[in-house]
Amino acid sequence: DVKVTQSSRYLVKRTGEKVFLECVQDMDHENMFWYRQDPGLGLRLIYFSYDVKMKEKGDIPEGYSVSREKKERFSLILESASTNQTSMYLCASTSRLGGGNQPQHFGDGTRLSIL
Amino acid sequence: AQTVTQSQPEMSVQEAETVTLSCTYDTSENNYYLFWYKQPPSRQMILVIRQEAYKQQNATENRFSVNFQKAAKSFSLKISDSQLGDTAMYFCAFMKLTGGSNYKLTFGKGTLLTVNP
Repeated sequence: DVKVTQSSRYLVKRTGEKVFLECVQDMDHENMFWYRQDPGLGLRLIYFSYDVKMKEKGDIPEGYSVSREKKERFSLILESASTNQTSMYLCASTSRLGGGNQPQHFGDGTRLSIL
Repeated sequence: AQTVTQSQPEMSVQEAETVTLSCTYDTSENNYYLFWYKQPPSRQMILVIRQEAYKQQNATENRFSVNFQKAAKSFSLKISDSQLGDTAMYFCAFMKLTGGSNYKLTFGKGTLLTVNP
């Protein structure tokens, strides 16, 4: 069965810390995505990657960076955490097969609190 | 840029009844996909149904069906015979197929559906 695993369900960090959120998929998918989900705002794309070492900015990349050294792993990095980055973070992956009609598969999410 | 609008932040329905969630979108693209995703209280997002813009026939998946009106840029989700397990946040999403989009999704803000016993 398809599996996207996010390393933590809940995480509490302090302002100014460097924070790493990890995501691993076991489906050999080319494309991986990081979203943040906030009440009343839906899901907003932070960054995505379409291949190893390849990345593109999404709609809200400020304050974030990403790393994709291996195909199965996509990391989101908060360079210097701030309270306005308190949110739910969702990772997703999808295959390029089928020309776009494949669904994105999501992880369970990481609820990150910055104090 | 594409935008997706879900005008109903919250809805409720009685078990076994039918409910329709609305979604409109704005795009200048001609080739695209539309999706409805469901996020139950356990939080994992799952695909409910998808529609290819070039297909005129509305997609159906068991109790879930869509009313796709391309000219009006409308993509509503109908849930028939609602069940308690349908209680979830529902997101409408758009994906364009041109210009190297790499299968990015643009999501609406979501509709929280509660099915009451």
